[in-house]
Amino acid sequence: DAGVTQSPTHLIKTRGQQVTLRCSPKSGHDTVSWYQQALGQGPQFIFQYYEEEERQRGNFPDRFSGHQFPNYSSELNVNALLLGDSALYLCASSRGHLNYGYTFGSGTRLTVV
Amino acid sequence: DQQVKQNSPSLSVQEGRISILNCDYTNSMFDYFLWYKKYPAEGPTFLISISSIKDKNEDGRFTVFLNKSAKHLSLHIVPSQPGDSAVYFCAASLTGTASKLTFGTGTRLQVTL
Repeated sequence: DAGVTQSPTHLIKTRGQQVTLRCSPKSGHDTVSWYQQALGQGPQFIFQYYEEEERQRGNFPDRFSGHQFPNYSSELNVNALLLGDSALYLCASSRGHLNYGYTFGSGTRLTVV
Repeated sequence: DQQVKQNSPSLSVQEGRISILNCDYTNSMFDYFLWYKKYPAEGPTFLISISSIKDKNEDGRFTVFLNKSAKHLSLHIVPSQPGDSAVYFCAASLTGTASKLTFGTGTRLQVTL
């Protein structure tokens, strides 16, 4: 049974560019949450998608946007990349948007140069 | 504004002894707390949790204690094993916002032989 799958695993982008990260939730899960983990920090909540809608959002600018597809997979888009966007981006899935039973993916390491 | 703090960035414990990891929080509205373990190149994995209506929860070698008046929780691992060497994050949440976890900065535990 596959867990949470994220792609790509590593990515290097230039300042000002746009990036799309992808996440496939664990089988049976319908909710996807995205977190940003900067070096030496804990993960920070970006937003959550459930029933193809953004249900909650953390303190991130509008440059961060997302989408959830009918098959529950999700994308995280970041526009106008800044050096400070360099981080590990983690996707977590769960069954239901009020369920604490998350499964995290291994993350996408984004480096902005 | 760090609402969840782990003031010890690292901890070294001998195999077989007790490991105690500490976490403090400032938001008294938090009512659910979790501990995650993270190995390099992997996503965080859920370890144990506790609701604010309890002051202790045990699962095998892992016990979490919650002191609401002090806004403090701790994770005890007894006995510690080399495979426990990882980064441990505590996280807090509000009922109804299950996916929006607020993480601490993590404590790196090293269990030595």
